[in-house]
Amino acid sequence: QSVLTQPPSASGTPGQRVTISCSGSSSNIGTNYVYWYQQLPGTAPKLLIYSNNQRPSGVPDRFSGSKSGPSASLAISGLRSEDEADYFCSGWDDSLSGVVFGGGTKLTVL
Amino acid sequence: QVQLVQSGAEVKKPGASVKVSCKASGYTFISYGISWVRQAPGQGLEWMGWVGGYNGNTDYAQNLQDRVTMTTDTSTSTAYMELRSLRSDDTAVYYCARSRGMSYGLDVWGQGTTVTVSS
Repeated sequence: QSVLTQPPSASGTPGQRVTISCSGSSSNIGTNYVYWYQQLPGTAPKLLIYSNNQRPSGVPDRFSGSKSGPSASLAISGLRSEDEADYFCSGWDDSLSGVVFGGGTKLTVL
Repeated sequence: QVQLVQSGAEVKKPGASVKVSCKASGYTFISYGISWVRQAPGQGLEWMGWVGGYNGNTDYAQNLQDRVTMTTDTSTSTAYMELRSLRSDDTAVYYCARSRGMSYGLDVWGQGTTVTVSS
């Protein structure tokens, strides 16, 4: 059972906009930064969003992050076939004194 | 370019120990720490802990703190993760990843090391 809650799956057609939610609590998302990672099949995760809504260099602006209270969202606009991957949210948890992850959302591009 | 290169796959028997290495290049090793994250087959990501590149300070996940040790060798820019008393549910891909501090994001990842625990 993951500390952060994500839907197990999401889907969309090319060009569509999809959002993936991440629900936490006051001890993690509510007070600390949220990070999002993309894991393509058979590869290591890659940092997609940091500090709630910042994109590392090289990440397309089709990807955006937001946070409100104890919840966060990742939005992907102009969906492309290469976006098909697992997406994980993450953050620091003050109560556990450690990093926590969501269970991951498998995005399918139909 | 910034890179983390991990040691090769391991097969261990239950009760044994495993030590995975993570060699950093392309950046100042002591300016960052290294987190270790594992992923069991078909499962999500689990944070195991963090070790500081400068002073070797550590912070371990509560459920692993009795069995895990994370260290660094600044002379070779290498981080190590040792897991003891292995069980079958320790079978996973183990990743090292760079971060500014234990609560920061993981911006560069190693390629992963598969550890299989089987009798």
